[in-house]
Amino acid sequence: DADVTQTPRNRITKTGKRIMLECSQTKGHDRMYWYRQDPGLGLQLIYYSFDVKDINKGEISDGYSVSRQAQAKFSLSLESAIPNQTALYFCATSDSRTDNEQFFGPGTRLTVL
Amino acid sequence: AQTVTQSQPEMSVQEAETVTLSCTYDTSESNYYLFWYKQPPSRQMILVIRQEAYKQQNATENRFSVNFQKAAKSFSLKISDSQLGDTAMYFCAFMKHWGGGSNYKLTFGKGTLLTVNP
Repeated sequence: DADVTQTPRNRITKTGKRIMLECSQTKGHDRMYWYRQDPGLGLQLIYYSFDVKDINKGEISDGYSVSRQAQAKFSLSLESAIPNQTALYFCATSDSRTDNEQFFGPGTRLTVL
Repeated sequence: AQTVTQSQPEMSVQEAETVTLSCTYDTSESNYYLFWYKQPPSRQMILVIRQEAYKQQNATENRFSVNFQKAAKSFSLKISDSQLGDTAMYFCAFMKHWGGGSNYKLTFGKGTLLTVNP
């Protein structure tokens, strides 16, 4: 089984709709991240959480919110989706105790019509 | 703020040959990490190789090696004996060591699309 899972893998929605992307991990890591990837660009950090009670905005947090429901779960919400939020979204995790490597989920492709 | 620049949007190489992907970065930090990630068509982000800035020795992982030039702020990736499975988007990434709580964030370049031709 994958260590970092994302649901859904693909989603098409309409402008103005609320949508939630979910991320779960079985790696036991304390840190979790949400990134966005647009064509021709690298990944940009949306939000990050260093533990359940520590959530921080990244480079492009406007229009997004997050919830760290448990150490293993980190969800990303778009309260009112707009077309320029069409992108590939990645969740990642890392362990503050042992290493600096971030482990990525398989990504969610979101299309906002 | 840190920036990462990959000046080659696309590259191609023949199978079994060697190719080098370029990456430069800008930072005032002295303590940091550099990474190369691979994103094949499956879109999964896969760590290829990692370099700690305090280490002078270049990192190697099988067919993958880096040329880390700290003074020049350059971090290139060399792929030897290229294989068809190496076809992917390659991202260079920078991670500042914040110290204190040792908190990290990744800054990515825009990527280089590498195609390995048979």
